[in-house]
Amino acid sequence: GAGVSQSPRYKVTKRGQDVALRCDPISGHVSLYWYRQALGQGPEFLTYFNYEAQQDKSGLPNDRFSAERPEGSISTLTIQRTEQRDSAMYRCASSLFLGEGTGELFFGEGSRLTVL
Amino acid sequence: LAKTTQPISMDSYEGQEVNITCSHNNIATNDYITWYQQFPSQGPRFIIQGYKTKVTNEVASLFIPADRKSSTLSLPRVSLSDTAVYYCLVGDRGALEAGNMLTFGGGTRLMVKP
Repeated sequence: GAGVSQSPRYKVTKRGQDVALRCDPISGHVSLYWYRQALGQGPEFLTYFNYEAQQDKSGLPNDRFSAERPEGSISTLTIQRTEQRDSAMYRCASSLFLGEGTGELFFGEGSRLTVL
Repeated sequence: LAKTTQPISMDSYEGQEVNITCSHNNIATNDYITWYQQFPSQGPRFIIQGYKTKVTNEVASLFIPADRKSSTLSLPRVSLSDTAVYYCLVGDRGALEAGNMLTFGGGTRLMVKP
């Protein structure tokens, strides 16, 4: 696609429910990243993939958070048993390949999650 | 990991030149300096990247002194639309590990006034 596409744009859920956030990167981009951004703060790194391989998941807050990219394209970030503190904007980004060129990240418009 | 420090906020007026300085005292030999811009309700957008001396593109200039312990993003003749948060990132772009290459700090909130 023309840009990084994320869905849903807005998600309101009740505490304890599971949510899945989807990211469709720019066509041909090998690397895909997930960030979380609280209001008024900078993006917080969660995890990233090269192709289908999850290279770094050190930023995932706890084991309720997981991510996958089974075919090396679309990725899903899953949050199980959501808590109110999980409320934030979740941003996905992609790049040609981390380690190649400038490593410029292209961000999607984000998925705003609200946990009631 | 090279930690970055930048002012929390800055104010300017339309038509002025704005310089935002980022400190990175522990920068490593292979580290590059990258700046991103984020408008409200949007994701960050790459502005410029450099290793040493000066880099210029159609949006901004990046000045890096010889010791590379700091860098200055220069925005010429800002307009109201330059109001945004500006992030300085430092890291080894050649490394496959994310490390601090993908770490955004709090950024600098630039407010451009008429």
